[in-house]
Amino acid sequence: RKEVEQDPGPFNVPEGATVAFNCTYSNSASQSFFWYRQDCRKEPKLLMSVYSSGNEDGRFTAQLNRASQYISLLIRDSKLSDSATYLCVVNPKGAGNKLTFGGGTRVLVKP
Amino acid sequence: GAVVSQHPSWVICKSGTSVKIECRSLDFQATTMFWYRQFPKQSLMLMATSNEGSKATYEQGVEKDKFLINHASLTLSTLTVTSAHPEDSSFYICSASASASRGTDTQYFGPGTRLTVL
Repeated sequence: RKEVEQDPGPFNVPEGATVAFNCTYSNSASQSFFWYRQDCRKEPKLLMSVYSSGNEDGRFTAQLNRASQYISLLIRDSKLSDSATYLCVVNPKGAGNKLTFGGGTRVLVKP
Repeated sequence: GAVVSQHPSWVICKSGTSVKIECRSLDFQATTMFWYRQFPKQSLMLMATSNEGSKATYEQGVEKDKFLINHASLTLSTLTVTSAHPEDSSFYICSASASASRGTDTQYFGPGTRLTVL
């Protein structure tokens, strides 16, 4: 089983619609969680950290469910510019600053 | 925000040659730098972790004699792919982690280096 698993997609989303997807992690002691965005042939860029109580940043909402070991990302009012691959990233406990990346979920927002 | 640069951004080389990739933190001191590799349609895979002034720690399955890492200063780490072969063609990305005073688990990524070995 992979440490961090994601549905690769693609999720085809009409512009203005809402899309949500999850990521599961296997290490129950993981302590930090992030969503990164990666555009084609570019480096990953931090979208947002994920906090235990859930958090929102504009049109983006992240949730953490420790009991079921998954995190989610919801994008409201999708823009064409939201088209990208979204990477779920976990920092396992005891791993120092090491990050474990999921395979990414591809989102395509269409007019 | 913190800026990390990589050089070169892309390189094409012949099989058997060595390629050096530089990773620099431009506006902060990086106590730790990480080197990742990403094959097409796959996720980033950590290759090694390097701390300034000490030997790099390689992930399982990564050959330390093939991927030489040097972290001589708090702002520069280099990855040298020795005797490169076509299967080493990949997207190599570095990241830098700032000192403890700025948070211990924030990694800032460089723009990546696309290596093609003919």
